[in-house]
Amino acid sequence: EADIYQTPRYLVIGTGKKITLECSQTMGHDKMYWYQQDPGMELHLIHYSYGVNSTEKGDLSSESTVSRIRTEHFPLTLESARPSHTSQYLCASSDSTGMGYNEQFFGPGTRLTVL
Amino acid sequence: DAKTTQPPSMDCAEGRAANLPCNHSTISGNEYVYWYRQIHSQGPQYIIHGLKNNETNEMASLIITEDRKSSTLILPHATLRDTAVYYCIAYRATNKLIFGTGTLLAVQP
Repeated sequence: EADIYQTPRYLVIGTGKKITLECSQTMGHDKMYWYQQDPGMELHLIHYSYGVNSTEKGDLSSESTVSRIRTEHFPLTLESARPSHTSQYLCASSDSTGMGYNEQFFGPGTRLTVL
Repeated sequence: DAKTTQPPSMDCAEGRAANLPCNHSTISGNEYVYWYRQIHSQGPQYIIHGLKNNETNEMASLIITEDRKSSTLILPHATLRDTAVYYCIAYRATNKLIFGTGTLLAVQP
């Protein structure tokens, strides 16, 4: 059983609010990821981190920001939420073990609705 | 990274083997074939991966052709809980996993 947690699971919020989506893992994984997925659509990588104080933007441009101050914690922040940010946000982590091995463990996701 | 091509959807009868094909004709020698699945609205789940040899674990078997241009994921006895979107990914170490559109497998009772 993967130990990766996301809170909140569901969030409905008004336009212009600042929000932070939490993601924590207890597996000691050095790599962490944020994906965005609209219903019935592809997963898109929006942020990733290969370790503490390391963050990179993913393949899909996002107005969100992330931080990695502790190995186990990778929060995502939207400074001013808009309806276009309505989506599901999935957090994942993986370990750097061996060449070619990248089993990512996913959290349950946060379903964000911005009114 | 090599592009993978999968059928958009497949049906399978419960209890029968589900064979999910994937084409990766431009795969390079150092790219692995990974399979994940995503059950409705949940986060994707790792299934299996391989480089050249066939692989088997408690969830599935992965058959890779000798020229590595295609592969097949086999679920030996599909159940209703195996209904999901299955993603075939060509992955190279130091790169990121890129999830495409996958195959929606519908297991019918």
